Amino acid sequence: QAVLTQPSSLSASPGASASLTCTLRSGINVGTYTIYWYQQKPGSPPQYLLRYRSDSDKLQGSGVPSRFSGSKDASANAGILLISGLQSEDEADYYCMIWHSSASVFGGGTKLTVL
Amino acid sequence: QVELQQSGPGLVKPSQTLSLTCAISGDSVSSNSAAWNWIRQSPSRGLEWLGRTYYRSKWYNDYAVSVKSRITINPDTSKNHFSLQLNSVTPEDTAVYYCVREDSYFDYWGQGTLVTVSS
Repeated sequence: QAVLTQPSSLSASPGASASLTCTLRSGINVGTYTIYWYQQKPGSPPQYLLRYRSDSDKLQGSGVPSRFSGSKDASANAGILLISGLQSEDEADYYCMIWHSSASVFGGGTKLTVL
Repeated sequence: QVELQQSGPGLVKPSQTLSLTCAISGDSVSSNSAAWNWIRQSPSRGLEWLGRTYYRSKWYNDYAVSVKSRITINPDTSKNHFSLQLNSVTPEDTAVYYCVREDSYFDYWGQGTLVTVSS
């Protein structure tokens, strides 16, 4: 079982909100981890969006709009990236990441389509 | 402004060694706050962190378990760069390789090098 699991794809309409989930493997408690989120568009490397550990411990990337926000769902053992007011430019691949045992681990990514 | 410039061959034969270099401008490989990473990306394996080197009064390395027996990441303070060596490559090592600075998060990425493992 992968350490981080993300849905492979998600579609949403312009102006709507999209909730991207990143589920941690059983036995790895989301409450003890900082979840990092990256956005990747075709032909470019991933770009940092934000990291979220708690409401008092989070860091938005420079220039990243406030309509991108992070949270956790402890009951689902998952990190969440919420994108509100979707725009066509938000169409991209989104990756979550954690540091686990001194190693960085990425999720498989979610392809977000805005249509 | 930090810039990372990658160099190295785009084609490597199976069983040989993949070698890439990342030249740093705008920062120092000996920085006490940054770490210098290699990350690769392929359709089959997605984004995969390979390892990092960093200086905190002495040099440290962390490597991914999946490549730990085959990988070396070395800093070169005289040239302000760091390198990746991956031994005994197979076609599964075919990927785009990125060098990446980490300072609280992965903030600066090299341009990426497509490395194909093929005879």
